[in-house]
Parts: sequence; C-alpha cells; structure tokens
Amino acid sequence: SQTIHQWPATLVQPVGSPLSLECTVEGTSNPNLYWYRQAAGRGLQLLFYSVGIGQISSEVPQNLSASRPQDRQFILSSKKLLLSDSGFYLCAWSPATGLSYEQYFGPGTRLTVT
Amino acid sequence: GQQLNQSPQSMFIQEGEDVSMNCTSSSIFNTWLWYKQDPGEGPVLLIALYKAGELTSNGRLTAQFGITRKDSFLNISASIPSDVGIYFCAGRRTSGSRLTFGEGTQLTVNP
Repeated sequence: SQTIHQWPATLVQPVGSPLSLECTVEGTSNPNLYWYRQAAGRGLQLLFYSVGIGQISSEVPQNLSASRPQDRQFILSSKKLLLSDSGFYLCAWSPATGLSYEQYFGPGTRLTVT
Repeated sequence: GQQLNQSPQSMFIQEGEDVSMNCTSSSIFNTWLWYKQDPGEGPVLLIALYKAGELTSNGRLTAQFGITRKDSFLNISASIPSDVGIYFCAGRRTSGSRLTFGEGTQLTVNP
C-alpha cells in the first residue's frame, strides 16, 4: 500500500531564515506530487505540482520554491521566510496514469514564522 | 479562475441528525471528490465521483455528482461525534490532474 510522509511535523522559524520541508511517498512509482498551503484551517491553496523528476510547475508567484530530486521525493524551500509564510503545509500525491485523479494527503507540517 | 462555492460554511447539529452540504461552480467538472480533515491532520479522501448523476455511498456518507456537472452534494446520515471536522469538496476540470478545492464546511456535532 502507498504511504506519504512529511517532516518535520511542526517548525518554528524566525523571519529571514531558510526553510526546507520534505515529502516522500512509498509504494508507488512516478506519482504526481503537490504542495498546498492551508491558512487558518480553511481553503487549500495549490503552490506547486510535479509530474516527474525535475519537473515543477508553480501556481502562484511567491517566496517559495520546490524541487523534486528523486521520483518519490518533493521538497519545499525558501531562502528567506516571511511572516506571511506561516501556515499548514500539505503534500499530496496522485497516480500518474489511469483514470484516477484522487489525491492523497500527508499529515502536514505546521510552520510558524516569528 | 476556477472557483468552487461550498456551503454552508459551518453547521452545528445534534447527534443523530442528518447533514447536507454542497459545492457549486459556474464551470463544468469531470471529477468530484469529497475529503474530511480532522484538526492538525491532512485531509482524508471520503468519496470520489466520476460520472454525471453518479450516486456513491461510503457507510453513512452519500455523495452525488450533479447532472449538470457543475455541482456535487454530500450527505451524512445519523451523525455521530466523530463526524466533527472540516469537509472539503474538490473538482477536476477537463485536463490535467490539478484539483480546485472549496473553502470547506466546518461540522460540529453536539452529543
């Protein structure tokens, strides 16, 4: 069965510091991968998605970047955090082939920028 | 851009009552998904719908893909305290795998 992991679970970082959040998927190959941000427990905003290694699409211009160095690894980064980067970050995966467009979410990372 | 209007934003009900919520859009969607999110956790997929008019159940949950392909409904029968959480609808349009999410319905069940 497939599983998705995110770490860290929680993070408190000062403004201006760098960020690296990691997401890994097990039990599937060549998944589509997604990063979302959720503010105040409502509404999921798609930040990035990837259909393969090194292939990243950005949905909104912002202070963040994403990379996919391996097939089942997706990383969200920032060089300098802003207060507005605080939120709940969710990684998700979906099958790359077939008719299933279902996305499966990880447990999330709670980021607080102080 | 694409938008999904999810209603109601919040619901306060008594245990045992039935619940209905819906999502509407001005655009046609080819896939509708319903998720539930518990506090501090990632959303969990409840039901997936792929055909207009489709009615699918998962235990006490029933969801329908609207015949116009512009809406979807989720019903919960005989609610229990563990139904508390935020319910999200999500839709996929004609191409690609990206989903558009509704703003969520916060459900509170009083014992």
